[in-house]
Parts: sequence; structure tokens; C-alpha cells
Amino acid sequence: EPEVTQTPSHQVTQMGQEVILRCVPISNHLYFYWYRQILGQKVEFLVSFYNNEISEKSEIFDDQFSVERPDGSNFTLKIRSTKLEDSAMYFCASSYDGGGRAFFGQGTRLTVV
Amino acid sequence: SQQGEEDPQALSIQEGENATMNCSYKTSINNLQWYRQNSGRGLVHLILIRSNEREKHSGRLRVTLDTSKKSSSLLITASRAADTASYFCATDGLSGGSNYKLTFGKGTLLTVNP
Repeated sequence: EPEVTQTPSHQVTQMGQEVILRCVPISNHLYFYWYRQILGQKVEFLVSFYNNEISEKSEIFDDQFSVERPDGSNFTLKIRSTKLEDSAMYFCASSYDGGGRAFFGQGTRLTVV
Repeated sequence: SQQGEEDPQALSIQEGENATMNCSYKTSINNLQWYRQNSGRGLVHLILIRSNEREKHSGRLRVTLDTSKKSSSLLITASRAADTASYFCATDGLSGGSNYKLTFGKGTLLTVNP
């Protein structure tokens, strides 16, 4: 079965630093997403991306966050000036159509110290 | 508004028994998906049921959807210790002008005792 891959699997960063989380969605998929899950809590939607632009973003996705699809294969989430409360598991997902099955990556565990 | 709230929050059963988890939601949906997550790991897609479907099967999994009650259930038959995980429902809503984001519930932690 095709897979969404995320790197790194675990990242530790100092508070105030910038981090870039990387994702390679499934190659023929058109919709891309980032979600996060704070330890012990529900998975929360951050942003969706289609046709090279953000189609929707949540309240969490403020100016600290940005997404990019720099080439035909990668999809990145940049978090500027990280805070302790940004510590979470970040999941990338992709789908071929917006209303269909979303394939999730294994996640990047971000720890801000 | 809250979407995709599962109950129970935790369920402990013996191997071989059936496990039933329920999910309720509040707004109209396009589809509902169930995911599994082993502790600290990624989300594994189990099954998708569309709003015009009432029941779907996949192996030992059976999902029902009642749009009039805005609820869904996931039944795992003949459970195994390896089924121990958290199970989440996620709705793909029609409200808010977006079909394309999933709203997850808090999940049911299933423990299957050998």
C-alpha cells in the first residue's frame, strides 16, 4: 500500500528556534494536510493545502506556522519561534480527493525544551 | 462545536470477545472514517463509510452509520491482544464550506487482555 513518509521521526528543539517538518505525500494525491496531537489529547486539524495554496486553516495555525510545497514531492510545515506548548506529534496526511480516505504518515514527535 | 466524540473513553475486554465503540457527531457529514493508533504511533486507517451508506464490513470490523442519529459504531469481532490500541472516529464535514478536513474525537482506548 502507498505510504506518506515524514521526517524526522523525532525532533528536539530549543524554545525560540525554528523547525521544519517534512513530508512526502503519496505521489498522485492532490490534497495535503497537517494535523497535530498533543500528548493524551485528540488529533487536531492545522491546515489543508490544495492547488498550491492553503484551502483552510484552523485557529491554531497562526502566523507562527507556514506550509510549503517546494517541489513536486515534498510538503513542509515550518514553525517559527517554537514555544513549549508546540510540543506534540505532528501528522502529515494526503488524499486523492477531498472527501476520500486520508493517508497519514507516522508522525514527527516535536519536543520543545 | 464538538464532532466525533467516542464512547466509551476506555474499554477493557478479554481476547475472543467483541468490542463495540460508538461515535457521535453534531453537523452533517460527507463521510466518517475510523482510525487506529497504537501508543505514540501513527494513525492507521481502518474503514471509511459514506453518508449514504448504513453498514460496511472489512475483515473482523463492522461499521454502522446512522445519519438520523448522527452516530456511528465500530465493532471488532473475536478480538485479539494485538487489537489493543486507541480508536478514533473522524468526520469529514459539510459545514463551514469545507469538505476537506477531518475532525477527530478523543478516542476509545481498547485493551484486549490475553
